[in-house]
Amino acid sequence: AQSVTQPDIHITVSEGASLELRCNYSYGATPYLFWYVQSPGQGLQLLLKYFSGDTLVQGIKGFEAEFKRSQSSFNLRKPSVHWSDAAEYFCAVRSGTYKYIFGTGTRLKVLA
Amino acid sequence: GAVVSQHPSWVICKSGTSVKIECRSLDFQATTMFWYRQFPKQSLMLMATSNEGSKATYEQGVEKDKFLINHASLTLSTLTVTSAHPEDSSFYICSARSPPGGTGTDTQYFGPGTRLTVL
Repeated sequence: AQSVTQPDIHITVSEGASLELRCNYSYGATPYLFWYVQSPGQGLQLLLKYFSGDTLVQGIKGFEAEFKRSQSSFNLRKPSVHWSDAAEYFCAVRSGTYKYIFGTGTRLKVLA
Repeated sequence: GAVVSQHPSWVICKSGTSVKIECRSLDFQATTMFWYRQFPKQSLMLMATSNEGSKATYEQGVEKDKFLINHASLTLSTLTVTSAHPEDSSFYICSARSPPGGTGTDTQYFGPGTRLTVL
């Protein structure tokens, strides 16, 4: 069955520190992968996506993600976190019927 | 580009009444829209897939007579919560699938959500 796992429910980092949010997926074919960010009480904003090609994907707000087929992972990274990055982050995989399967999310807290 | 709006952003209603939520794709035509429900501090749960001009496809466990979906045009889908009860209180989010072709292919763009509180 298709699934997405985000092992970390909460992550706390200091402002200026680097960040990595983990995402593992289970999908039979080549996956279409996405990272979204959600601020409190808001909808989801697309950070980046991977369909094919270069496995290192650049997104908005200085985020990047690397697709590793051998590890079934699509981890999100940022070299230096800003206080405004505090939010909930969701990883998703697109199914064959164009539905998205979301992970449970990782809540990021940024310490000043 | 790829902006999706929802209206209203929040609504409070009495138990037993019906509430309609609108989802619009502002700058692109969306043949497919999706409706999600999100409980506090949880992930998004897909409720149904809305295809323009046809009946919505509901996920298992979602009552289609309770949550009426209409996708009458390429830019508008509506979700009506009928005879709402307190347990229907939630955050409802819609998304619109980008049309084929271009860099936005197969990407869902999300609305800002609607918070429904049923008293």
